[in-house]
Amino acid sequence: QSVLTQPPSVSAAPGQRVTISCSGSSSNIGNNYVSWYQQLPGTAPKLLIYDNNKRPSGIPDRFSGSKSGTSATLGITGLQTGDEADYYCGTWESSLSAGGVFGGGTKLTVL
Amino acid sequence: QVQLQESGPGLVKPSGTLSLTCTVSGDSISSNKWWTWVRQPPAKGLEWIGEIYPSGTTNYNPSLKSRVTISMDKSKNQFSLKLSFVTAADTAMYYCTRRRDGHSYFEYWGQGTLVTVSS
Repeated sequence: QSVLTQPPSVSAAPGQRVTISCSGSSSNIGNNYVSWYQQLPGTAPKLLIYDNNKRPSGIPDRFSGSKSGTSATLGITGLQTGDEADYYCGTWESSLSAGGVFGGGTKLTVL
Repeated sequence: QVQLQESGPGLVKPSGTLSLTCTVSGDSISSNKWWTWVRQPPAKGLEWIGEIYPSGTTNYNPSLKSRVTISMDKSKNQFSLKLSFVTAADTAMYYCTRRRDGHSYFEYWGQGTLVTVSS
C-alpha cells in the first residue's frame, strides 16, 4: 500500500494529451515539493519533474507538472510510443514516519 | 557526469543479511548530498529504504529501521546498505540514488541490482 495514490493505468493515442494524478495528504504533498519519475521497461527510474513543475535539462517541454493542495498532476502532450512507461510521483513525508514516499505507479499505454 | 553503480550478491538466504555497495563517480560523497537506497519488488512500486549524509547522519524507513544499516566509506567514495533477517519479501531490485540537501527529489540513479532471497 503506497502512501501516495496514483491510477494503475492510463492510455491515449499518439499525439494526444494525457494526465496522471497523484494524491496525498497534508503531511506529504501538502507541505513538500513533488517530483515525477519515468521508468521505461527494464530500466532505472529517471527524474522527469522536480519541485512540482521544473524540468531537468534534457527533458522536453511536452512533460509538465503541477500541484494543488494535497494533489499533483503530471501532463504529457504530443504522446509518442516511446513514452510508454511506468510513471511514479514522489515527495517527502513530514510526519513521525519521515522519509521519502512514492506513489504506486501508473502504467501509460500509447494506443 | 554523476554515475552510481550498485554491486553485491544477487542471492541471499532467508534470515541472512543483504549487503550492497554503491560506487559513486563524478561527485564526492563528502559533498552536501543525501546518499539514498530505494528498492522495487518485482512488478511493484518504489520503496524508499533510507539515506546517509556526509556527517554520518542517517534516516531510515520506519518499516525497515530495525533491520537496516547504511554506512559510507569516504576513502572509496562508496556507501553501503545492510539489511538483516531477510525474507522472500525483501526480493527486489535495489537502486542507489542521490538527493540534494533541502530537496526531496532523486536526481541520479544507479542501474539497479536484483537481489533474490531464496534457499
